[in-house]
Amino acid sequence: KAGVTQTPRYLIKTRGQQVTLSCSPISGHRSVSWYQQTPGQGLQFLFEYFSETQRNKGNFPGRFSGRQFSNSRSEMNVSTLELGDSALYLCASSLTPTSFTGELFFGEGSRLTVL
Amino acid sequence: AQKVTQAQTEISVVEKEDVTLDCVYETRDTTYYLFWYKQPPSGELVFLIRRNSFDEQNEISGRYSWNFQKSTSSFNFTITASQVVDSAVYFCALSENSGGSNYKLTFGKGTLLTVNP
Repeated sequence: KAGVTQTPRYLIKTRGQQVTLSCSPISGHRSVSWYQQTPGQGLQFLFEYFSETQRNKGNFPGRFSGRQFSNSRSEMNVSTLELGDSALYLCASSLTPTSFTGELFFGEGSRLTVL
Repeated sequence: AQKVTQAQTEISVVEKEDVTLDCVYETRDTTYYLFWYKQPPSGELVFLIRRNSFDEQNEISGRYSWNFQKSTSSFNFTITASQVVDSAVYFCALSENSGGSNYKLTFGKGTLLTVNP
C-alpha cells in the first residue's frame, strides 16, 4: 500500500514568489492535514481537509491556502513568500478527520527554502 | 503557555540503556487524546500510540511503554534496552476539541533522542 506522497521534495524560491505543494494521501483516506515544521516553532497545524471541505484552520496568515480535490489529493499554496516561510511542510492523511482518531500517516515532506 | 511540553530537548544514551521521554499537557477538555509520534531522519512522522482521556491504563508494546497519569497531566514514554535505530525525534501530541465536533492536534516541540553504540 503506497504511503503519503508529497511533491516536490525540495524547492528553492525567492522572496515574493509563490509556491504550490502537492500531497497524495494513502488510497482510501479522505482527510488531509498540513503542518509546517521549523526549528524554532516546531510542528504547527496549517489546515485540514475532509471530502474537499476545510474543517480546521491553524493560525497562519491568509497567504497560506489550500484545497482538496475529489480524489482526495490536496495542494497548499503560499503566496508572497517571506524568509520565515522556509520550513519542512508535512502532509498527513487519515481515514477519518482528526476529530475521531488523530492517527495520522505522514509523508516525508516538502522542504522549502526561501532566499 | 504551551499546551504540550516536552522539557527534554535532547537526550543522549548508550545502547541498551533505558530512557524515558517526558510529556506534560494542558487542557480544559474532559475528552481528549494523547499521542506519540517518531520522526526519523527521513522526515516522515510515524504514529506510535494513541490514548484517550478515559483510559489511564499503561501500555507496553515490545520495548516501548507508556505511562499516562491524569493527576499530573503527563504521558511519558519509556524505551527499554534502547537501540541505535531508536535514534529520532519523538513528539508528544494532544488532540482536543476546537469547536463543534472538530478536534485539533497540537504537537510538543519534540525530544531528539540519540542512541550511541
